[in-house]
Formats: sequence, C-alpha cells, structure tokens
Amino acid sequence: SQQGEEDPQALSIQEGENATMNCSYKTSINNLQWYRQNSGRGLVHLILIRSNEREKHSGRLRVTLDTSKKSSSLLITASRAADTASYFCATEKTGTASKLTFGTGTRLQVTL
Amino acid sequence: EAQVTQNPRYLITVTGKKLTVTCSQNMNHEYMSWYRQDPGLGLRQIYYSMNVEVTDKGDVPEGYKVSRKEKRNFPLILESPSPNQTSLYFCASSPRTGGTGELFFGEGSRLTVL
Repeated sequence: SQQGEEDPQALSIQEGENATMNCSYKTSINNLQWYRQNSGRGLVHLILIRSNEREKHSGRLRVTLDTSKKSSSLLITASRAADTASYFCATEKTGTASKLTFGTGTRLQVTL
Repeated sequence: EAQVTQNPRYLITVTGKKLTVTCSQNMNHEYMSWYRQDPGLGLRQIYYSMNVEVTDKGDVPEGYKVSRKEKRNFPLILESPSPNQTSLYFCASSPRTGGTGELFFGEGSRLTVL
C-alpha cells in the first residue's frame, strides 16, 4: 500500500475560499514534500518540510507536520481558479534517502 | 532554462517491440529517477540513480532497464513491452546528494502498448 494517503480524494471549492488537504503516512520519515500536477503534466515541487519542523509557509501555502500522528496538511489560502490541479504528498522514509514515495493525490477544483 | 526533457512525449507501440524513453537534465543533478503514474495508484518508482554508473531498483522495476553513463542522461529501456506497461512515465532529477530532496520532473511520456 502507499506510504502517503491523501484525504480527501477530491475537493471542490469556490474561488477565494481556503482549501485543506491532508496526508497520512505509515513509517518514520526524513522529510515530507507536497507537489502539484496540472492535468497530464509533470509534477511541480511546492514545499518540503523536515521531520523536525512543525509548520512551513510559502506564499499562500501553509504546511503542517505532526510526526506523532504521522500526518501532514496543506492549506491553500484565498484559492484561485489557477490552483485547480492534483496535489500529492511524498515522503522520504527514514533510512531510504534515495526514495520518495508518493500518495495517490487530492484532486482540487476551484470554480469561479 | 533549467529543465528535464523526456522523449518521446507520446508513443503507441506493439507488444515485444523494444523501445527507449530518453531523459536528459541540464541542471548538473546527481540524482535521477523514473516513475510511472497509473490511475488510483499514484506515482510508483521504477529505478533511480544516485550518480553516474550507479543505479538501483525502485518499487516496480520488472520489465524495465536503465543506464547512467553520463550525468545528464538516464534512459528508460523496455526490452519487450507488454500491455501492462501502458502508463504515463515521468523522469525526475534532484540536486541533493545522498538523497532525493526536491524533485524536478519532466513533462511525461505517455506510452500505450497494444
């Protein structure tokens, strides 16, 4: 099974609203990353949070990490139609520094 | 422009006909990796390379080969493609030595095996 599982699988919101996506994982990690994928295109790195960090910001993005619950959340504030995409979390498991394991993604739809 | 370039972007082939998907990066990254993306399964790692002449299996290496003769190139070889290898393939690279770090992805190669 996947190391990272995103929740919800799909999310539909209106422009201006905030979008929150969650990621749960199973084993201890070195870091957790979030990626964005526009339909059929390559993935684009959004943010990396290390296991000793609890929160990180980048523009309208806010990522939290709770290693005790083995979970992370990605918050996109003031969403725009251009944020419509799939979002994936990826984990680098402890002891496997050469490997990044992806979840199945959350499909975000932002409507006008 | 810093990028990862994959070719071909689209390919339809028949069972058993050997094919190669090329991947080239111009960022002098040491780490490169191949993933396949299938509906409901997310991205799964096929092979990765920590440096020139160093390659290793990912989660789903069966039916694939790779080589890393030069730092910039990391081709994916399907010696005898089968229909279950129909998928969207991504090459990625990372500047981080000793691990993955942030991955830079190519635009993908959509392969159909009939």
